[in-house]
Amino acid sequence: DIQMTQSPSSLSASVGDRVTITCRASQSISSYLSWYQQKSGKAPKLLIYAASTLRSGVPSRFSGSGSGTDFTLTISGLQPEDFATYYCQHNYSFGGGTKVEIK
Amino acid sequence: EVQLVESGGGLVQPGGSLRLSCAASGSTFSDYEVNWVRQAPGKGLEWVSYISSSGGTIYYADSVKGRFTISRDNAKNSLYLQMNSLRAEDSAVYYCATEDWASSFDYWGQGTLVTVSS
Repeated sequence: DIQMTQSPSSLSASVGDRVTITCRASQSISSYLSWYQQKSGKAPKLLIYAASTLRSGVPSRFSGSGSGTDFTLTISGLQPEDFATYYCQHNYSFGGGTKVEIK
Repeated sequence: EVQLVESGGGLVQPGGSLRLSCAASGSTFSDYEVNWVRQAPGKGLEWVSYISSSGGTIYYADSVKGRFTISRDNAKNSLYLQMNSLRAEDSAVYYCATEDWASSFDYWGQGTLVTVSS
């Protein structure tokens, strides 16, 4: 089974900061990688699929990149509503999550 | 766009059973592949089970294989998860989620909480 590893597990950032979250697959997964945002007490929300395709309605400050085993989610200009936990996912495997907290 | 609403969660004793339901509306449910995903309190997301649009293909996580059964009734726009031999480690919020062509989970319900405790 392919394992997904996210880093860091948490980070502190300020409004306006550029934030980067990394996800690594235990073997090549081409571009089959999705990113989710989850706020406390809510269901996850799909942000990006196929590694870099922004879902309709998701702000353009979110972007994804990578292929093979290494992937990145970038938030350019962190907004107050972006403080949440982010997960990567490939098929039936999720990364452990990255909690983005206010500095 | 499909809307999903889970129900059936609650408190159950270890070794007990529970049946979760996921009601779909707003789109043709039979077009969708669907999954159950769970999240233990304070923990990350864990995929539980998958069922194809026709119900002909089913997968389970090793942690629930032999104890949980996924099914669907397209005529009733509903997905189910029969959970038997429940353990404390099955305690979680259970979400149903549709799966798209890119193997992303694109639509999610609000979740239903299952607590396994004596």
